[in-house]
Amino acid sequence: NAGVTQTPKFQVLKTGQSMTLQCAQDMNHNSMYWYRQDPGMGLRLIYYSASEGTTDKGEVPNGYNVSRLNKREFSLRLESAAPSQTSVYFCASSAPGGQPQHFGDGTRLSIL
Amino acid sequence: AQRVTQPEKLLSVFKGAPVELKCNYSYSGSPELFWYVQYSRQRLQLLLRHISRESIKGFTADLNKGETSFHLKKPFAQEEDSAMYYCALTSGGSNYKLTFGKGTLLTVNP
Repeated sequence: NAGVTQTPKFQVLKTGQSMTLQCAQDMNHNSMYWYRQDPGMGLRLIYYSASEGTTDKGEVPNGYNVSRLNKREFSLRLESAAPSQTSVYFCASSAPGGQPQHFGDGTRLSIL
Repeated sequence: AQRVTQPEKLLSVFKGAPVELKCNYSYSGSPELFWYVQYSRQRLQLLLRHISRESIKGFTADLNKGETSFHLKKPFAQEEDSAMYYCALTSGGSNYKLTFGKGTLLTVNP
């Protein structure tokens, strides 16, 4: 049982390049989330999807887009990467009713 | 707006000493509080949630609504407790978004 799987684990981009981070969960969870983790800032919510077919902005959505492809998959896209988007990105999922979120291993993204 | 404050960025204790990681929150309703732990370069894992009122790895946390706090405590720290700890809050409702504090890096020295 893999839980939440993120790909890739590491990526280096040049400024202006585009990139899609993939996330899939096998726990039949309704809700999925994308966070970024930066030193001294904790985790900040980028986008979330409360259920299949819906997506909403979080705290720091600028520069990102998301797609809830189906119940299992939730992708995060950087259309034109900027150095400020260098971060570790975590995907998470949860069942309804305030259940705890389960996290993936993260994607370390560096933008030069 | 909901907010989670972890006043200590760094906390260093010796093995066997008690440890308390502070967490204060602001939220007008009835929040659900969690503690997550992240060991070096690993994924975040749920450590505790206040509604469970359980002890995990010797850690406990009590929700104090009067002081709006959810401090994490352990009477005798172990070296393997060294990690980043995040306090988080959700208002529940239809989206269950988590608001995280900025984290406290706990180092337990031998």
